[in-house]
Amino acid sequence: GNSVTQMEGPVTLSEEAFLTINCTYTATGYPSLFWYVQYPGEGLQLLLKATKADDKGSNKGFEATYRKETTSFHLEKGSVQVSDSAVYFCALSDRSSNTGKLIFGQGTTLQVKP
Amino acid sequence: EAGVAQSPRYKIIEKRQSVAFWCNPISGHATLYWYQQILGQGPKLLIQFQNNGVVDDSQLPKDRFSAERLKGVDSTLKIQPAKLEDSAVYLCASSSLAGGWGDTQYFGPGTRLTVL
Repeated sequence: GNSVTQMEGPVTLSEEAFLTINCTYTATGYPSLFWYVQYPGEGLQLLLKATKADDKGSNKGFEATYRKETTSFHLEKGSVQVSDSAVYFCALSDRSSNTGKLIFGQGTTLQVKP
Repeated sequence: EAGVAQSPRYKIIEKRQSVAFWCNPISGHATLYWYQQILGQGPKLLIQFQNNGVVDDSQLPKDRFSAERLKGVDSTLKIQPAKLEDSAVYLCASSSLAGGWGDTQYFGPGTRLTVL
């Protein structure tokens, strides 16, 4: 079946450090891939997405590239800020089901210290 | 554009009681989703509506959970009777297109349910 695996958290970084959050997936079809972010006290917000292999999604300085050969969609940011502290979720939507159903990883908590 | 609205934001009940959650999607969005997010886990889809028809309810515990979307707009999710393991955040999301695999889903703030 379809699944998403994220690196364990929490991840604690100093401001301006480089961020990588690993995400790998298993899918029976050809998925779209997403990163959602949940700031404290708020709902999930789409951060970026990619719908086909080698696509790069980007937003607010964050990037992730759809790697079909390694079934990965790692999230990166060159210089994190305190305001990036949040929980990050990797998710997929499988084209074969055609329902748009999102399958989420367990989430990775990021803490950025000044 | 107003976002997805949910109410209540918090609810505390005792086991075996019933509870209902309400969701108002973004205006014009045809597809509506209910997800359950247990603490420390990612959200899990409970049910998906396309207009007022059910597209996927394969993971909805139908012996105790029910949902409806009258007139293809607002939706209500009900739990009766509640169990301790139902303690979670219940998230509503909507998308504008046909609910296909590449669509962006917009989430509400969620309802945090605690079952004692």
